[in-house]
Amino acid sequence: QKEVEQNSGPLSVPEGAIASLNCTYSDRVSQSFFWYRQYSGKSPELIMSIYSNGDKEDGRFTAQLNKASQYVSLLIRDSQPSDSATYLCAVNGWSGGGADGLTFGKGTHLIIQP
Amino acid sequence: SQTIHQWPATLVQPVGSPLSLECTVEGTSNPNLYWYRQAAGRGLQLLFYSVGIGQISSEVPQNLSASRPQDRQFILSSKKLLLSDSGFYLCAWSVEGTSGKETQYFGPGTRLLVL
Repeated sequence: QKEVEQNSGPLSVPEGAIASLNCTYSDRVSQSFFWYRQYSGKSPELIMSIYSNGDKEDGRFTAQLNKASQYVSLLIRDSQPSDSATYLCAVNGWSGGGADGLTFGKGTHLIIQP
Repeated sequence: SQTIHQWPATLVQPVGSPLSLECTVEGTSNPNLYWYRQAAGRGLQLLFYSVGIGQISSEVPQNLSASRPQDRQFILSSKKLLLSDSGFYLCAWSVEGTSGKETQYFGPGTRLLVL
């Protein structure tokens, strides 16, 4: 059974600092990896996707993937109070050619302190 | 651009009553569609997915069912709700990109409380 593990937090980070969120997954054949942000009472919003080992940067966000260690991380630079949310790590074992649901972690609750 | 709608936004239903939640997608053709449930204190759980009209795959056996009567319409149903059916129901869509990868995007969700 596929599993995705995240530290539930809360993770408290001062405004302007770097927030580091981590995720491990159990299925070694997983191909696609995603980070979603979910504000309280709202639906998940896609932040980043990553498919290859290494780093992928988009604005203040950097996703890091290490398939050998089965580890995905998300770094948020210059953290803002609006970044306070629950961050969900999701993994998909199918790289394309059909549908496959995502396996989600339970999420890390991030609090940015002004 | 693509948009996804879900209704109702909120629903309070008694135990044993039927359920029908609807999801529609605009701005894309032949999307893959998904139903997830997020229960309190638990992660998102995939319930059903569909790759086309009339094609439904179930991930978790339970008293829920899904149907896809039209290309961009996905319906979640139950004949008799249980207390454990309470949760936040999310519909998602995806299409295969040029890289061969699929990314899922979520609708606004339906919050269901069974009493």
